[in-house]
Amino acid sequence: NAGVTQTPKFRILKIGQSMTLQCAQDMNHNYMYWYRQDPGMGLKLIYYSVGAGITDKGEVPNGYNVSRSTTEDFPLRLELAAPSQTSVYFCASSYPPTSGSSYNEQFFGPGTRLTVL
Amino acid sequence: EDKVVQSPLSLVVHEGDTVTLNCSYEVTNFRSLLWYKQEKKAPTFLFMLTSSGIEKKSGRLSSILDKKELSSILNITATQTGDSAIYLCAVLAGGTSYGKLTFGQGTILTVHP
Repeated sequence: NAGVTQTPKFRILKIGQSMTLQCAQDMNHNYMYWYRQDPGMGLKLIYYSVGAGITDKGEVPNGYNVSRSTTEDFPLRLELAAPSQTSVYFCASSYPPTSGSSYNEQFFGPGTRLTVL
Repeated sequence: EDKVVQSPLSLVVHEGDTVTLNCSYEVTNFRSLLWYKQEKKAPTFLFMLTSSGIEKKSGRLSSILDKKELSSILNITATQTGDSAIYLCAVLAGGTSYGKLTFGQGTILTVHP
């Protein structure tokens, strides 16, 4: 199993450009997440999905869009990139919480380092 | 707004030292507290704590939750250079099937030989 994969690893964008960060998982996880991590900060949730066709906003969704057409893929779209979106982006996936458990471990991808100039 | 605060923000020690990392939280509808280790890339899961006062251990790492004080500590004994990393605390809260994870800002641990 490849686990959670993300592409690209690095990207430099100019202000106003758009791009899509790709995320795929081969563990048949229902839940998928996008986080951003700014220097010296913890991770902040951008969007999440509990299954194909279902997405919802997290803590910092402005400037981003997502779609979930398959269980495996969860791309993150940046429209009109701004310097404030310079960050490291992590995709993660998990099974839903099971009965008697409040959490199932989230598996993280290696991250995409994005710079907007 | 849910909040998770970690201290110290950074720590420099020598191999063999024991360290204690702190995490405090203010959240609505607490479910569990998690510790992650982040080296160069993605965070990796260490512990999940749900019940107060019960210590979780894995080798030289241990963690305990204090629900009364809304806090947790992560202890690392006999530190090694391989323990150098960012340690992230996160709290799972919320009443829906998806529990919202709120992360602290992390503690940067540097272990010198």
